[in-house]
Amino acid sequence: SYVLAQPPSVSVAPGKTARITCAGNNIASNSVHWYQQRPGQAPVLVIFYDTDRPSGIPERFSGSNSGNTATLTISRVEAGDEADYYCQVCDSSSDHPVFGGGTKLTVL
Amino acid sequence: EVQLVESGGGLIQPGGSLRLSCAASGFTVSINYMSWVRQAPGKGLEWVSIIYSGGSTYYVDSVKGRFTISRDNSKNTLYLQMNSLRAEDSAVYYCARVAGGLRGPFDYWGHGTLVSVSS
Repeated sequence: SYVLAQPPSVSVAPGKTARITCAGNNIASNSVHWYQQRPGQAPVLVIFYDTDRPSGIPERFSGSNSGNTATLTISRVEAGDEADYYCQVCDSSSDHPVFGGGTKLTVL
Repeated sequence: EVQLVESGGGLIQPGGSLRLSCAASGFTVSINYMSWVRQAPGKGLEWVSIIYSGGSTYYVDSVKGRFTISRDNSKNTLYLQMNSLRAEDSAVYYCARVAGGLRGPFDYWGHGTLVSVSS
């Protein structure tokens, strides 16, 4: 089955840029979606189809996807961005959704 | 406004059964792809099952033969029948809509319902 690898944790100071990676074999051939999950809450979609933002998501959130790595970038990080972030694709071999292991973003 | 509201979770002994419900409003369940996603305590998200708009159903290997996803179009509600429950099935179960077809994102999620399997 298709495996998505994320770093367990990323730390960033307020006002700086956070980059969270999602690695998978030729992931660029898949559409990647990203979710934010604050403690005790349901996940929220923040980026879909690699680069698109749902309405209501700040422009500070952006995405890219190339080669074997997709990246979620959060600019001008705020304390409220502290959360777990998950990448997700649909595995083309099984047609089943697959999630990365998640990355805990800590705002210093 | 789109809303998904899960119910039916609780404490159940190993080997027991539960049926989770997910009542939808603001859209029609039957013409969308719908999924169940679970999250064990302190762990990441795990996809569990999906039902296509056409009615086809699929499952993660660990629940095949034990869980059944279904929907009631008249009630606009999604279900997950869980049989032969194991300790490792303990998790918060979320229902979610898949936007735009199989490869689309989970654009709306419920608040989740907790299933605890323990003797």
